[in-house]
This record gives sequence, C-alpha cells and structure tokens, in this order.
Amino acid sequence: GAGVSQSPSNKVTEKGKDVELRCDPISGHTALYWYRQSLGQGLEFLIYFQGNSAPDKSGLPSDRFSAERTGGSVSTLTIQRTQQEDSAVYLCASSLGSGTDTQYFGPGTRLTVL
Amino acid sequence: AQSVAQPEDQVNVAEGNPLTVKCTYSVSGNPYLFWYVQYPNRGLQFLLKYITGDNLVKGSYGFEAEFNKSQTSFHLKKPSALVSDSALYFCAVRVPGFNGGNNRKLIWGLGTSLAVNP
Repeated sequence: GAGVSQSPSNKVTEKGKDVELRCDPISGHTALYWYRQSLGQGLEFLIYFQGNSAPDKSGLPSDRFSAERTGGSVSTLTIQRTQQEDSAVYLCASSLGSGTDTQYFGPGTRLTVL
Repeated sequence: AQSVAQPEDQVNVAEGNPLTVKCTYSVSGNPYLFWYVQYPNRGLQFLLKYITGDNLVKGSYGFEAEFNKSQTSFHLKKPSALVSDSALYFCAVRVPGFNGGNNRKLIWGLGTSLAVNP
C-alpha cells in the first residue's frame, strides 16, 4: 500500500519568507508526527497529532513554527519568517495510534533557507 | 534527561562478516526501543523494535537486536553482512509512561554509518 508522502521534496526559500510543508499519512493511521533532521543535531521531535488535536507540541522550536491537521489526515507544517537555521530535512511519520505502534516515515522535505 | 547514544560514528565490516551497531540509552522508566535504517536520499525505514518479552528481537533483512536492561543497551546485529546493508542506522527510544503517560515522542541517537566492503 501507499506509504507516507510529503511535498515538496525540496524547497529553497529566502530568509524571511513563509513556507508550508505537507504530509499525507498512511491511510487509517490516526497518529502523525513531525521531526526535523539536521547535520550535527540528529533527529528532533517537533509535534505529534492524534486525530486533529496535538497533545504534544513540545518540540516546536519557536512560535514561528506551527502545524495543523485536518480531517484526521493531511497535515501542514508552517514556518513563518524563515531563518537560515531552519534549513534541515523535515520528516513526517504516521502510526496506527495504538500504544505500542511503529512510526513509519515519509521521504522528507529538504528545506534550504538562503 | 532522556538520551540515546550511538558511540560509533562509523562501522566498517567486510562482506560476509558479522556486524554490530551499538546503542545505549539513558531514560527513566521502561523504554520501547527501535532501530531504523536510512539509505541515501531516502526516508527512514523501520527495522525492528523491542516492546516487552524476549530480549532478542528479529527484524527485517536478517537483522536482530538484543535488549539488555542491566547494561541499558540495544545493539543491532547481523550474522553475515551484505554490501547492500551499507547505510545510516538510527537507534531510537520511547518512554510511554513519561510526561504524564502516553508519551509518543521518539528520542534518537545521532546515527551510525555502516560501510560493508566487498
């Protein structure tokens, strides 16, 4: 079946612009996660959705970062007024939402802020 | 603080030899442990996980890992390495009871680059 998809695969933007990153989870997965992967920092958790609500937003690095999920499916991560330190690969994952489930990852969006 | 350590940035092994990629963790509570693999320009692929029960877990592509509670380790192993196993390997941990319960966040090691030489 179809896996997690993300778009765009690559995004180059200028400092100060806003960007939106999209994630389509695996059909039937109620939980959705955003992570960021950057050189030297490894993978860091950003936010977790269960359905359309976000019980854990603890990893969002600043108020420039926000995310929403609609219809229990697609999620959008928005970064406002981008900074060069936002450059990274943004990974989305989804899971069934049960207690011991496995997170399955999309291919990521590589964001470059010039 | 909860953390995961992968003490080796790179592991080199000859094809056909056994391989081990090390992972240790420091958490409060009983962890769930995971291994993922990342091939160049591709997303993370799930290999295996330990939740409870038998300490030796078997996963995809002939990989296995052993949970050792006393040593707080979860090393990834394969009896006979293939050149196609060359990739970046990540260990991750989740502590479900953390932060009031039902914690879903994965905490990651920095990754180990495995090179299998023909």
